[in-house]
Amino acid sequence: AQSVTQLDSQVPVFEEAPVELRCNYSSSVSVYLFWYVQYPNQGLQLLLKYLSGSTLVKGINGFEAEFNKSQTSFHLRKPSVHISDTAEYFCAVKGSQGNLIFGKGTKLSVKP
Amino acid sequence: KAGVTQTPRYLIKTRGQQVTLSCSPISGHRSVSWYQQTPGQGLQFLFEYFSETQRNKGNFPGRFSGRQFSNSRSEMNVSTLELGDSALYLCASSLMSGRETQYFGPGTRLLVL
Repeated sequence: AQSVTQLDSQVPVFEEAPVELRCNYSSSVSVYLFWYVQYPNQGLQLLLKYLSGSTLVKGINGFEAEFNKSQTSFHLRKPSVHISDTAEYFCAVKGSQGNLIFGKGTKLSVKP
Repeated sequence: KAGVTQTPRYLIKTRGQQVTLSCSPISGHRSVSWYQQTPGQGLQFLFEYFSETQRNKGNFPGRFSGRQFSNSRSEMNVSTLELGDSALYLCASSLMSGRETQYFGPGTRLLVL
């Protein structure tokens, strides 16, 4: 069965510091991976996706992620975070039936 | 292009009642999926509709049902509400079914008292 593990439930970081949010997946089929962000009282916004091709994927708001097949990881990174990046981040893999399978989420808290 | 819209945004019901939530996908998108988000269980897939047919279903009881209309708008219904049904219900649309990227609406927050 496919699954997604987000290793950190909460990540506190100071403004302008770099951040990495970790995601590992388990899948026996072709891997389509996504990162979504959820701001308070809102829905999910797509940050970036990996479908095929280059393993380094760039997304919106300066985020990027690297697909690593051997380590079954898809970690999200940003070189310098802003207060406005405070939100919950979800990693997801496409299931064999087309539905998204989500991790439990990582709450990023950016402090001034 | 307008995004996914969901109505209503907030809803309060009592146990035993039923509720209907609505989702309008992005123009041109034909697939609509529904997810339930709770603090305890996280984001869980309910079902997907494509061309007015249910294509895929998650592990939820039969009290949860849905349908899709010819204009791709979708409704989801929960009958005999339980306290545990309190959640944020998210709708996502995609061009086609399967491997397409899903775009989410703002959600409907349901509180069952």
